[in-house]
Amino acid sequence: DTAVSQTPKYLVTQMGNDKSIKCEQNLGHDTMYWYKQDSKKFLKIMFSYNNKELIINETVPNRFSPKSPDKAHLNLHINSLELGDSAVYFCASSQVGRVQETQYFGPGTRLLVL
Amino acid sequence: SQQGEEDPQALSIQEGENATMNCSYKTSINNLQWYRQNSGRGLVHLILIRSNEREKHSGRLRVTLDTSKKSSSLLITASRAADTASYFCATDGGYSGAGSYQLTFGKGTKLSVIP
Repeated sequence: DTAVSQTPKYLVTQMGNDKSIKCEQNLGHDTMYWYKQDSKKFLKIMFSYNNKELIINETVPNRFSPKSPDKAHLNLHINSLELGDSAVYFCASSQVGRVQETQYFGPGTRLLVL
Repeated sequence: SQQGEEDPQALSIQEGENATMNCSYKTSINNLQWYRQNSGRGLVHLILIRSNEREKHSGRLRVTLDTSKKSSSLLITASRAADTASYFCATDGGYSGAGSYQLTFGKGTKLSVIP
């Protein structure tokens, strides 16, 4: 009955590989997000997405792309992984107009690029 | 650029003491939220204070907001070992499209409560 879930929890991969992280929310929310948390715990928004619109943080490399098969899922695909991509990636969701702006976070995916 | 800045970066107290964390921000906001992150876990929403509010309580949490100084504080009273976590403030600058209110997080305060 987890509200926001992510898989995998840990991901270790070689530089240059392509990988995907999956996110699912069962809260019925319209909007989902991807955040990156670096080694210094700084949390930075990467994408905001609903079924109509994608907002991309301009600092995110185009190797990162969100893919949403349906309203409850927002996956993150990363091409040509680099060492600097190592971080914890969090998915979150929210519902505009209800408990305004509160976001619900998944447990995170710890990505290590070797 | 980073919006919220928490202070201190780390705080260590004895169980039963109060813990105060501060957050400063740079631009105008609609609201400010505090989140908690236990080690190795995701963030959990604690409390939201709107720009027209000055103080808000939730259980052992007390949040203040001073929009003239662009600052907020989070007070945890009668701390417990289970309060050990990182605490983040997040500011919302308004609707940012895609049905979202984009939050900008600070670097967090790492609180350690010693039993």
